[in-house]
Amino acid sequence: GESVGLHLPTLSVQEGDNSIINCAYSNSASDYFIWYKQESGKGPQFIIDIRSNMDKRQGQRVTVLLNKTVKHLSLQIAATQPGDSAVYFCAETGYTGTASKLTFGTGTRLQVTL
Amino acid sequence: DAGVTQSPTHLIKTRGQHVTLRCSPISGHKSVSWYQQVLGQGPQFIFQYYEKEERGRGNFPDRFSARQFPNYSSELNVNALLLGDSALYLCASSLRDSTNQPQHFGDGTRLSIL
Repeated sequence: GESVGLHLPTLSVQEGDNSIINCAYSNSASDYFIWYKQESGKGPQFIIDIRSNMDKRQGQRVTVLLNKTVKHLSLQIAATQPGDSAVYFCAETGYTGTASKLTFGTGTRLQVTL
Repeated sequence: DAGVTQSPTHLIKTRGQHVTLRCSPISGHKSVSWYQQVLGQGPQFIFQYYEKEERGRGNFPDRFSARQFPNYSSELNVNALLLGDSALYLCASSLRDSTNQPQHFGDGTRLSIL
């Protein structure tokens, strides 16, 4: 399939290790954040979300941390597997006029080595 | 349950032509948004439609238009195609139009302009 991002920052992790993907967001008024996973040739897949009244949320093998003071998000993936290889985007929500929209970060390519 | 479906999956057009892309949201979702993803970048917001009305648009020219039908499906139309319109066009649906609703994406239409 066609590559999603040819020149994105890349994180290489060994299978079984934990992965941490970081993201800076721009709008201090954003109150809802989502992490997406995008595999080659596919659309972004929802992984986990967090609201601004929380600083941590856990899912299955994934944890999102939110630091509003420095406008920073991170996605932690436990026991990384080959199927986790993909491009990961954080997205913040906001408004354009009356439209709610997502603003995406630049993305990070996660490569899982065996 | 079916996710967001988009058609066609791939399309090749020449400069100056017109294109129509189609999207069916997740059942029960009333909001549909369109995004453009250029290779190597995150998706960029084009439009949001909710209850058949345009709620807002991103920084895209008037050559881009869309509509939403009574069954909440949507069409994106692009006139006078330019080489720079080559991209992956993504449709996302959500239950409502608020900023704290997760948006779920289809796998997109890959548009190539020759």
